[in-house]
Amino acid sequence: GAGVSQSPSNKVTEKGKDVELRCDPISGHTALYWYRQRLGQGLEFLIYFQGNSAPDKSGLPSDRFSAERTGESVSTLTIQRTQQEDSAVYLCASSFGVKETQYFGPGTRLLVL
Amino acid sequence: QKEVEQNSGPLSVPEGAIASLNCTYSDRGSQSFFWYRQYSGKSPELIMFIYSNGDKEDGRFTAQLNKASQYVSLLIRDSQPSDSATYLCAVKGSDGNEKLTFGTGTRLTIIP
Repeated sequence: GAGVSQSPSNKVTEKGKDVELRCDPISGHTALYWYRQRLGQGLEFLIYFQGNSAPDKSGLPSDRFSAERTGESVSTLTIQRTQQEDSAVYLCASSFGVKETQYFGPGTRLLVL
Repeated sequence: QKEVEQNSGPLSVPEGAIASLNCTYSDRGSQSFFWYRQYSGKSPELIMFIYSNGDKEDGRFTAQLNKASQYVSLLIRDSQPSDSATYLCAVKGSDGNEKLTFGTGTRLTIIP
């Protein structure tokens, strides 16, 4: 079936604006993960969902970041009052269960001017 | 100390030779270890995973795990130019947390 999809693929926004990033996991995958990758850096964990619950939000950098998941499917990552340091690629991954292999989407490239 | 460490490279290997990529981790109780390949501008794709001490082979790729030394490696035999990419080591911790902790990656270049 289809892989993990993310939208938009690219987003340019002005400092101070809010942005919403969307992730559609692989059908049937119950676990969903958000990571951030700054230019030339490794992946930084943000949050993961098991079903619609988020057992671990420890990676969210500040209270400007929030995420939700509905219907054990689509997830949105919201960044309020964006800052230039938020510029990065935001990657979503999903897996059949939390102990299974994670498969990544293509990412959303966010640029905050 | 970083939780997962990799040599950032670049690592240059002649075509047809063996490329060896190394990773160390700090959480002694870690149970699951993953190697992802990431081409420039693309998302990571899973190459190998390993849970038990020893070697695991899949085609030209071999993952090696030594939990006592907290060391995991990836060997690529008969390296091809298409293997040129950044290789990310990822570790799942022992605390029941299901997040992956990634190293910063090793950039590998295969020289034709």
